[in-house]
Amino acid sequence: GAVVSQHPSRVICKSGTSVKIECRSLDFQATTMFWYRQFPKKSLMLMATSNEGSKATYEQGVEKDKFLINHASLTLSTLTVTSAHPEDSSFYICSAPGTSSHYNEQFFGPGTRLTVL
Amino acid sequence: SQQGEEDPQALSIQEGENATMNCSYKTSINNLQWYRQNSGRGLVHLILIRSNEREKHSGRLRVTLDTSKKSSSLLITASRAADTASYFCATETSGSRLTFGEGTQLTVNP
Repeated sequence: GAVVSQHPSRVICKSGTSVKIECRSLDFQATTMFWYRQFPKKSLMLMATSNEGSKATYEQGVEKDKFLINHASLTLSTLTVTSAHPEDSSFYICSAPGTSSHYNEQFFGPGTRLTVL
Repeated sequence: SQQGEEDPQALSIQEGENATMNCSYKTSINNLQWYRQNSGRGLVHLILIRSNEREKHSGRLRVTLDTSKKSSSLLITASRAADTASYFCATETSGSRLTFGEGTQLTVNP
């Protein structure tokens, strides 16, 4: 199946700093990618849809100036958490829809655990 | 917002037993998917069932979908300790966007 990678897998930062998380589709192209956040023992909450070549679409309640998304190429989307605060600490996961051979299936990255001190 | 509810929230069984997890949703869907997540890891796609399908099998997995009741179930037969994980249902409505249920934590005891 298709592979989606995320980098870094784990990051610890100080309050007020910005953190960039990368999501790459390794062996397929993804014009659309999705960003989720997950709190401990909780479900995934869709944050935004990343669209290659155009602006991201944010879910209700998600601050677009706080969570900057850039889909610079057909294989890379980045999520930047700006001026991070402890409440932004979470597990961030990206996904990309599959190709025609895996229609409707989504491939998830391994996740990035962000801890803001 | 989350539209899926899953029950039970947690399930503990012995190896060899069957595990059944249920999922309910609120809106019309294109398809419903089940994913597995090991602790602190990404999600792995298990099975997809389309809105016009009622039952689907894949190995030890059996999924049913009742669109009139807006519910689905995932059955894992002959469970193994390696099946221990969280299981999530996710509904797709449009544009590949998925809405996840709250998940069921399955523990299979050896």
